[in-house]
Amino acid sequence: DAGITQSPRHKVTETGTPVTLRCHQTENHRYMYWYRQDPGHGLRLIHYSYGVKDTDKGEVSDGYSVSRSKTEDFLLTLESATSSQTSVYFCAISESVTANEQFFGPGTRLTVL
Amino acid sequence: ILNVEQSPQSLHVQEGDSTNFTCSFPSSNFYALHWYRWETAKSPEALFVMTLNGDEKKKGRISATLNTKEGYSYLYIKGSQPEDSATYLCAFTDTGRRALTFGSGTRLQVQP
Repeated sequence: DAGITQSPRHKVTETGTPVTLRCHQTENHRYMYWYRQDPGHGLRLIHYSYGVKDTDKGEVSDGYSVSRSKTEDFLLTLESATSSQTSVYFCAISESVTANEQFFGPGTRLTVL
Repeated sequence: ILNVEQSPQSLHVQEGDSTNFTCSFPSSNFYALHWYRWETAKSPEALFVMTLNGDEKKKGRISATLNTKEGYSYLYIKGSQPEDSATYLCAFTDTGRRALTFGSGTRLQVQP
């Protein structure tokens, strides 16, 4: 299994509070991604990183920010959590975006009350 | 936003049946097509990555084909088993992008 961990694995928080999710990899892969999983939508890309300090927005980036100060860590921050951000969040890594598969972390279940 | 569509949305088959699903994607500027298998309460796992028109990939009883000119890929499962029950996702990227766009998946249930 690819070395990807996510923390926390479960979190319950209240509307309006900031929340940070962490993705940590031990594979030294260049690309890292944050997705959210919602019924009927499969996986939707929030943000991704193509190197340290290099990030870009995905299709559902509103309300989220990311940071990558080290190759191994990719942080996702919900600046002011809303109930619509209740979801399961998956981190993924890959050596390249095209010809190489993505490896997924175990997921973080976030509930915003 | 790229449109990646999968059909059917869900499928129920009996053990031993063979089945197939479709993934449709934009045919212009194609770069790569991925298939992932996603079991309930687990994380998605890669099955295939295809980059060339006419590609055919096989892993055990599962195989996939790719037609980039018309913008579709088929995933086939021969002799379905209960352990094949999962959601099957396809994902697409075109030239110049650094990220995949996923379809919403086909949920397969195989009855013993």
